[in-house]
Amino acid sequence: DTGVSQDPRHKITKRGQNVTFRCDPISEHNRLYWYRQTLGQGPEFLTYFQNEAQLEKSRLLSDRFSAERPKGSFSTLEIQRTEQGDSAMYLCASSPTGWHTEAFFGQGTRLTVV
Amino acid sequence: DAKTTQPPSMDCAEGRAANLPCNHSTISGNEYVYWYRQIHSQGPQYIIHGLKNNETNEMASLIITEDRKSSTLILPHATLRDTAVYYCIVFPPGAGNNRKLIWGLGTSLAVNP
Repeated sequence: DTGVSQDPRHKITKRGQNVTFRCDPISEHNRLYWYRQTLGQGPEFLTYFQNEAQLEKSRLLSDRFSAERPKGSFSTLEIQRTEQGDSAMYLCASSPTGWHTEAFFGQGTRLTVV
Repeated sequence: DAKTTQPPSMDCAEGRAANLPCNHSTISGNEYVYWYRQIHSQGPQYIIHGLKNNETNEMASLIITEDRKSSTLILPHATLRDTAVYYCIVFPPGAGNNRKLIWGLGTSLAVNP
């Protein structure tokens, strides 16, 4: 399977713990996006990378959240001191170079904070 | 806020055409209409996009009205696997512009046997 891969698929953590998610985009895609989706809602943009550069962060991305893409390939999203409100599906997507391209999404990581 | 309006839910009989409407009356001249779908517990999947001409691919057809204020996604022969939430999104092209996708609540399509 050469699609976008996310790991883990599910994560249950206690409030206050740190969690880290990984995203492996389609190999030739230089753009990578993180979204968050709560139950019954559409995805919300969190942050965007072009290669290793983080070019934009949503105001939804509080200082407890950090994302990296160190070599322009895989990316990680870390949440520190998790809160119950962080419970959501975290989606990663990638897209190729080009002016007009669609996003290819991974299966997501479902986080439950108890 | 999402710039599109879609019915919250629709039903379709298996084998029949599913016609999903979308209103985007405030669409700008350079904004495209994109459709994605999301099957339960999976990530969204791109279906089709268009600017002003009708478009067709192996998954669906997209019909955009002449004034571009509305569009219809057509699944010509719906199957049970087409049961999903369908999102209609408008946004301008540009480098990295997938970050500007504003997703509404979509239409939950149920294909019935």
